[in-house]
Amino acid sequence: SQTIHQWPATLVQPVGSPLSLECTVEGTSNPNLYWYRQAAGRGLQLLFYSVGIGQISSEVPQNLSASRPQDRQFILSSKKLLLSDSGFYLCAWSPTGQMLPYGYTFGSGTRLTVV
Amino acid sequence: KQEVTQIPAALSVPEGENLVLNCSFTDSAIYNLQWFRQDPGKGLTSLLLIQSSQREQTSGRLNASLDKSSGRSTLYIAASQPGDSATYLCAVRTGNTPLVFGKGTRLSVIA
Repeated sequence: SQTIHQWPATLVQPVGSPLSLECTVEGTSNPNLYWYRQAAGRGLQLLFYSVGIGQISSEVPQNLSASRPQDRQFILSSKKLLLSDSGFYLCAWSPTGQMLPYGYTFGSGTRLTVV
Repeated sequence: KQEVTQIPAALSVPEGENLVLNCSFTDSAIYNLQWFRQDPGKGLTSLLLIQSSQREQTSGRLNASLDKSSGRSTLYIAASQPGDSATYLCAVRTGNTPLVFGKGTRLSVIA
């Protein structure tokens, strides 16, 4: 069966420090991968998605970036964190192909607090 | 651009009541619709997935319906329990674009 792992679970970082959040998927190949952010009192905002290695689409211009160095690995990064980057970050995957009747599966999330 | 709205934003009911959560979307040309549950500080758990060709899906005490032409879905929870307390999120997939989420309904079931 497929599983998705996301770490760390909790992170407290000072303003201006770098960030690296990692997400990996097991039990499938060539998944679509997604990073969402959930800020307090707001809905889930799509940040990045990837349909293949090295292919990244950005939905929101900001100081975050994403990379997909391997088929089932998705990394969210920042060179210098801002206070506004605080939030709950969720990684998700879905099967490739529009016709597959499967939904999205989410990881357990990372709570990021920038201080 | 697809927009998803969930009403009400919050709901408090006594244990045992049947309840309905509403979701509406602006672009009816959807591929599928997914209902999720989120407990505080946790990730999202998928509850039900409805394909655009389907009218409803059921899982235990949960039933989700889809009226694509009117841009609406409902999540029906029968005989609610305190353990059902959580935030319920509706999300829509349109074509090749990623899921678009509503802001959720925060449900409290009082024992």
